[in-house]
Amino acid sequence: AQSVTQLDSQVPVFEEAPVELRCNYSSSVSVYLFWYVQYPNQGLQLLLKYLSGSTLVKGINGFEAEFNKSQTSFHLRKPSVHISDTAEYFCAVSGVNYGQNFVFGPGTRLSVLP
Amino acid sequence: EPEVTQTPSHQVTQMGQEVILRCVPISNHLYFYWYRQILGQKVEFLVSFYNNEISEKSEIFDDQFSVERPDGSNFTLKIRSTKLEDSAMYFCASRDDYEQYFGPGTRLTVT
Repeated sequence: AQSVTQLDSQVPVFEEAPVELRCNYSSSVSVYLFWYVQYPNQGLQLLLKYLSGSTLVKGINGFEAEFNKSQTSFHLRKPSVHISDTAEYFCAVSGVNYGQNFVFGPGTRLSVLP
Repeated sequence: EPEVTQTPSHQVTQMGQEVILRCVPISNHLYFYWYRQILGQKVEFLVSFYNNEISEKSEIFDDQFSVERPDGSNFTLKIRSTKLEDSAMYFCASRDDYEQYFGPGTRLTVT
């Protein structure tokens, strides 16, 4: 079984500042890792994913994340945020075995301030 | 690009009533899932479905819930007798070899 921790429930940041949203996971098997964004009253939009290969993955809207196997982390970063990035961000993990469900973290609320 | 669709987008029902939430997974996917998100909380796994049977289910998925693939395209979640605490967003997903693709969700409001 897997579990996901997002230590920061809320992250306020000023517009154009950099941001890092932290995600740590635990798993007894190899995993795939994902970040989703959810805007108010909307569904889940995939930001980026790590399946294999390069540990630095780039996603949509200027976001990137780095997979660190030794620290079991998959932190999300953006060098300069916009007001429109205000949303809830969820980290998710899935075992690599075919068919395994996703386990989501509790989410981090990113608030970008003018 | 193929996508997962869900109907209705919003369902309001009275406590004790049965509801059926519908999903059309991506056509060549074999694994299907239902997740639930209570307002302001995280997304929780309910059930996975493969080869016309439940593959795995969480503690949340009790006898009040059932899933079915009634035909070649639809995948449904039935809640037999809704409770106030069933109010949530319900997401359907289907999976290829690596990742799950989520539908837009059905917001269920139980009054």
